Amino acid sequence: DSGVTQTPKHLITATGQRVTLRCSPRSGDLSVYWYQQSLDQGLQFLIQYYNGEERAKGNILERFSAQQFPDLHSELNLSSLELGDSALYFCASSFAGTGQETQYFGPGTRLLVL
Amino acid sequence: SQQGEEDPQALSIQEGENATMNCSYKTSINNLQWYRQNSGRGLVHLILIRSNEREKHSGRLRVTLDTSKKSSSLLITASRAADTASYFCATDLTGANNLFFGTGTRLTVIP
Repeated sequence: DSGVTQTPKHLITATGQRVTLRCSPRSGDLSVYWYQQSLDQGLQFLIQYYNGEERAKGNILERFSAQQFPDLHSELNLSSLELGDSALYFCASSFAGTGQETQYFGPGTRLLVL
Repeated sequence: SQQGEEDPQALSIQEGENATMNCSYKTSINNLQWYRQNSGRGLVHLILIRSNEREKHSGRLRVTLDTSKKSSSLLITASRAADTASYFCATDLTGANNLFFGTGTRLTVIP
């Protein structure tokens, strides 16, 4: 158990809908990362937050947004969903939010868009 | 595009044999990490090797790093069926805060 929690575990929704994925980092970690894993794209970095502020942005679509709250949990909002958004979404956390640390991954949210 | 590329994409071996996976990357890094992922689950950190290190061991794992060739290898000795998983290398670009993951090697260890 990494100490990172993600909810929900599974999500089934329809095209055009909006969903929110939630992540709680390990106790003491200040940084949260979001990744998307699909069969054809592999593991793609989406966005990183550190202590409530956006720190790095990757291949995140404009239809997606995220935030980190004062209690350090984070939410990833996916809107106007398309079939191609079906994937595993992982959250990871680390203490200082640098690339020189271990990242601790949550169990993921499996999103299926029908 | 992916910063790291693993080779081979898939590897199947008998229990007790050694497994070697390779990772190549494109630009300068501060460190390289290896992660393991059991099917459909979260990634688990295995080992981190810094750019000024050439070799590192952790239990049955041995990692090498050749910065001149921009490549790393992960050796799992005396493999077990429980080692069946996908293995990813991840690099941090100099100056970046996030990791870039490779495409992964799918390892199957046959009992």
